[in-house]
Amino acid sequence: AQKITQTQPGMFVQEKEAVTLDCTYDTSDPSYGLFWYKQPSSGEMIFLIYQGSYDQQNATEGRYSLNFQKARKSANLVISASQLGDSAMYFCAMREYQISGGGADGLTFGKGTHLIIQP
Amino acid sequence: DGGITQSPKYLFRKEGQNVTLSCEQNLNHDAMYWYRQDPGQGLRLIYYSQIVNDFQKGDIAEGYSVSREKKESFPLTVTSAQKNPTAFYLCASRGGTWSTEAFFGQGTRLTVV
Repeated sequence: AQKITQTQPGMFVQEKEAVTLDCTYDTSDPSYGLFWYKQPSSGEMIFLIYQGSYDQQNATEGRYSLNFQKARKSANLVISASQLGDSAMYFCAMREYQISGGGADGLTFGKGTHLIIQP
Repeated sequence: DGGITQSPKYLFRKEGQNVTLSCEQNLNHDAMYWYRQDPGQGLRLIYYSQIVNDFQKGDIAEGYSVSREKKESFPLTVTSAQKNPTAFYLCASRGGTWSTEAFFGQGTRLTVV
């Protein structure tokens, strides 16, 4: 079973509109972290936002916010007032801190959403 | 400037050859990681190292090898045993146990010709 699921392979959004990118996750570890990364066409991975499983409030970083619904195992990224420069691949990822079952350290990534902002 | 440097940016390899990808960091991070990315896919973990002289296999370690002789360096060798080595390779590092963010290098695009 996939640990990170991103159901939107691609999205077209008008400039200045808000965008919600979906992410659901699966883990049995009570302690985990959820990440969103942006990957422009140049290839580097740019960290956007982090949410810990015990954090009481949703994380926010400038125009980015994470809509964390723990019971639903959902961690959607919201980009407010989208800009042309937001066009990129967006990846949701998870790190399981207790690594139950002897799993590896490192991030588990979803397959990504290709976001295109139209003028 | 602190960061992670991967070299080269583009690499071409003939079938049957081993090739080594470089990853250097000056962030004083303990943990380092190698990921592979195929077109239209997310990243998959190849190897990771949490401390010098120690490393562990990730999800797709077959056909790859690593070393961690220095804290700053974590080179990845793609051996001839790797059946489908053409991919984009990303190196990352992270600070202490409770450190959250992983910092990534610019990546190396490997093509087998």
